[in-house]
Amino acid sequence: GIQVEQSPPDLILQEGANSTLRCNFSDSVNNLQWFHQNPWGQLINLFYIPSGTKQNGRLSATTVATERYSLLYISSSQTTDSGVYFCAVPPQGGSEKLVFGKGTKLTVNP
Amino acid sequence: GAGVSQTPSNKVTEKGKYVELRCDPISGHTALYWYRQSLGQGPEFLIYFQGTGAADDSGLPNDRFFAVRPEGSVSTLKIQRTERGDSAVYLCASSLTRNSPLHFGNGTRLTVT
Repeated sequence: GIQVEQSPPDLILQEGANSTLRCNFSDSVNNLQWFHQNPWGQLINLFYIPSGTKQNGRLSATTVATERYSLLYISSSQTTDSGVYFCAVPPQGGSEKLVFGKGTKLTVNP
Repeated sequence: GAGVSQTPSNKVTEKGKYVELRCDPISGHTALYWYRQSLGQGPEFLIYFQGTGAADDSGLPNDRFFAVRPEGSVSTLKIQRTERGDSAVYLCASSLTRNSPLHFGNGTRLTVT
């Protein structure tokens, strides 16, 4: 099945710093989503981004489908950005389920 | 409702008992998913409904697990003869249509003692 690799596995930042999280996947996809799981376990959808670039406030994401990777940019990080960031893709074309990566655990210190 | 609602938020049960977990999706969302998340891992797919039918149940680990969505809205995940290995957070998600953003509920934390 499809492999989803996220890097780095852990990231510690000072408040105000910028960061880039990466998601590599092993096969072509028509659906890629980024999620943030906060320290209380709530999973929030950040982006639905099978290709191209999207921005939402301090966050933006870019997916280069032909090269099988996606990047999540966090600018001017805040302590509330702490948590685990997951990317997820379908295991094969036409499938509705998503396979999640192992996540990047982000800690933003004040 | 405003978001995906799951009840109960916590469930503690004894090994061998039967449990039901409920999910109320966002109003109007036709697609509903169940995932399971163990500590330190990403969510793992269990089952997907499009309307009332289970379109993909390939993630259900064995026949002790079953899910229904009789009227195309609320869904119930049923686990028979629970085992300690079933302990996890069970997450429900819904989306407006196929291939659209998934919205998760807060999950039910199941503990089997």
